[in-house]
Amino acid sequence: EIVLTQSPGTLSLSPGERATLSCRASQSVSSSYLGWYQQEPGQPPRLLIYGASTRATGIPDRFSASGSGTDFTLTISRLEPEDSAVYYCHQYDSSPYTFGQGTKLEIK
Amino acid sequence: QVQLVQSGAEVKKPGSSVKVSCKASGGPVNIYAIGWVRQAPGQGLEWMGRIIPSFPRENYAPKLQGRVTITMDEGTGTAHMRLSSLRYDDTAVYYCVTSLGILDGYSWGSWGQGTLVTVSS
Repeated sequence: EIVLTQSPGTLSLSPGERATLSCRASQSVSSSYLGWYQQEPGQPPRLLIYGASTRATGIPDRFSASGSGTDFTLTISRLEPEDSAVYYCHQYDSSPYTFGQGTKLEIK
Repeated sequence: QVQLVQSGAEVKKPGSSVKVSCKASGGPVNIYAIGWVRQAPGQGLEWMGRIIPSFPRENYAPKLQGRVTITMDEGTGTAHMRLSSLRYDDTAVYYCVTSLGILDGYSWGSWGQGTLVTVSS
């Protein structure tokens, strides 16, 4: 089973700043099958990124992602208050599919 | 975009089974895969399994193997997840998810609203 480790656990930033979230895999993941999700309190998760770097429909270009192999990054630029959420990375390359434990982003 | 509407909350006793339904709507859609993800209270996301109806092909999380079954009634566009031998730590919100295949990079582009399953004696 591929273990995804996200860091940091919590990130507290101000509006307008840039957030950098990391996801590290215990073994190599095909870039085609790495995604990022955003979950606001009380809501189901929402797909942000698939294929490691492709924004899903309707996702603003403030959200970008990159990475390959075992190291992946989600970057959120020009932070807005509504970006407060928990962000999860997810690999769907190798069964059993797995999620990272999440990074909580707080906007001050 | 696929809209997914799930069945309502359930309260079950330990050792019993639960079946959660998920109906897809939003016009003609060609769903590639259907999966289920659960989230225990205050915890992260846990992938449970998925099926690819057109093959058909199933994959389940090892820790749930033998207790979970995912099925799809293509005639009604309704997916079902059955979890048996319920334990207290199965208490969670259960989400159905769908992939449109290459259109969303084989990821989970649509999520249901979630169904709370509470296991309590």
